[in-house]
Amino acid sequence: RKEVEQDPGPFNVPEGATVAFNCTYSNSASQSFFWYRQDCRKEPKLLMSVYSSGNEDGRFTAQLNRASQYISLLIRDSKLSDSATYLCVVNIVSGAGGSYIPTFGRGTSLIVHP
Amino acid sequence: DGGITQSPKYLFRKEGQNVTLSCEQNLNHDAMYWYRQDPGQGLRLIYYSQIVNDFQKGDIAEGYSVSREKKESFPLTVTSAQKNPTAFYLCASRSGTASYEQYFGPGTRLTVT
Repeated sequence: RKEVEQDPGPFNVPEGATVAFNCTYSNSASQSFFWYRQDCRKEPKLLMSVYSSGNEDGRFTAQLNRASQYISLLIRDSKLSDSATYLCVVNIVSGAGGSYIPTFGRGTSLIVHP
Repeated sequence: DGGITQSPKYLFRKEGQNVTLSCEQNLNHDAMYWYRQDPGQGLRLIYYSQIVNDFQKGDIAEGYSVSREKKESFPLTVTSAQKNPTAFYLCASRSGTASYEQYFGPGTRLTVT
């Protein structure tokens, strides 16, 4: 079982739609969660951090459910420019030193059409 | 402007040659990372370094080597032992603790024929 799993999609939605992605993680000791956006052939860029209490940034809402070990990203009022791959990142403890290593899901592709 | 630079953007090599990818950051970050991304795939960790003169293997370190002689620099060498070196290579850095996000360089697209 992979440590961080995402549905690869693609999610194909019309402009104005609301779309939600989930990301599950296997290690209950994980801490620090993030959503990144990656455009085709570009580097990932931070979209938002995910806090235990949930957080919102404009049309984007991120939530963490520690009991069920998943994080979610909700996008409201989708724009054409939201078309991209959304990567979840979970910091997983690794090694004898107990350091936290950022571990990526394979990403979920979103296509917003007119 | 602070940031991470990777060079070159595109790199072409013949099979059997070693090649070194550059990664430099001026963010004063302690930790640096190298990832590989194949088409339609997520990022896979090759090596990481949390402090100068120390680095650790990631999930797919075979066929790669790194050095961390300076805080700002974390070059990656793709050796001839790497079976499938053609990929998109991404370097990232972050402030030391896990609660901070990573920043990525623009990546190097390596093609080996």
